[in-house]
Amino acid sequence: GESVGLHLPTLSVQEGDNSIINCAYSNSASDYFIWYKQESGKGPQFIIDIRSNMDKRQGQRVTVLLNKTVKHLSLQIAATQPGDSAVYFCAEGTGANNLFFGTGTRLTVIP
Amino acid sequence: EPEVTQTPSHQVTQMGQEVILRCVPISNHLYFYWYRQILGQKVEFLVSFYNNEISEKSEIFDDQFSVERPDGSNFTLKIRSTKLEDSAMYFCASSDLGGSRQPQHFGDGTRLSIL
Repeated sequence: GESVGLHLPTLSVQEGDNSIINCAYSNSASDYFIWYKQESGKGPQFIIDIRSNMDKRQGQRVTVLLNKTVKHLSLQIAATQPGDSAVYFCAEGTGANNLFFGTGTRLTVIP
Repeated sequence: EPEVTQTPSHQVTQMGQEVILRCVPISNHLYFYWYRQILGQKVEFLVSFYNNEISEKSEIFDDQFSVERPDGSNFTLKIRSTKLEDSAMYFCASSDLGGSRQPQHFGDGTRLSIL
């Protein structure tokens, strides 16, 4: 079955530094990937997505990189701020009407 | 910015009782979803709904679960006879297009506690 997992359960960074959160997936049929941010007591909040015909996509302070060869994607956050502290999930889609979520990485920004 | 709203934020129910979780999806969205998240675990898909019928469901979504769009704005999840293991956060999501190649926008969830 599909499997989306995260390499690191926790990540601590200094405010102002760049953060990189990694995600591995196992379903080669997955062709759509999303990063969500979840703050305490809130639902997953959409950050950025990428389709499998792309290697890189940039948003505001965030970049997602997709390496289909090794089934890996990453979320880079530039100039990390205290408000970026949250759990980050990657999720994958295969064209069916559901997303498969990874287990999450907790990002802590140290002021 | 339009958002998905869910009520109640916290529901406490005795085991064996029926519970209905409510959601108001984003108004121009056509596809609706329920996910759950057991404490400390990943978000798991339950069911997707389009055009007044279920389009997909997971193994979790057994006969105890049902969904309904009773009017033009609400989308509900009913659990007929709750079990202790149903305790979780339940998230509603919606998207304007179908398939999992579109961003799904989530509400802040209902925390369901079964006693």
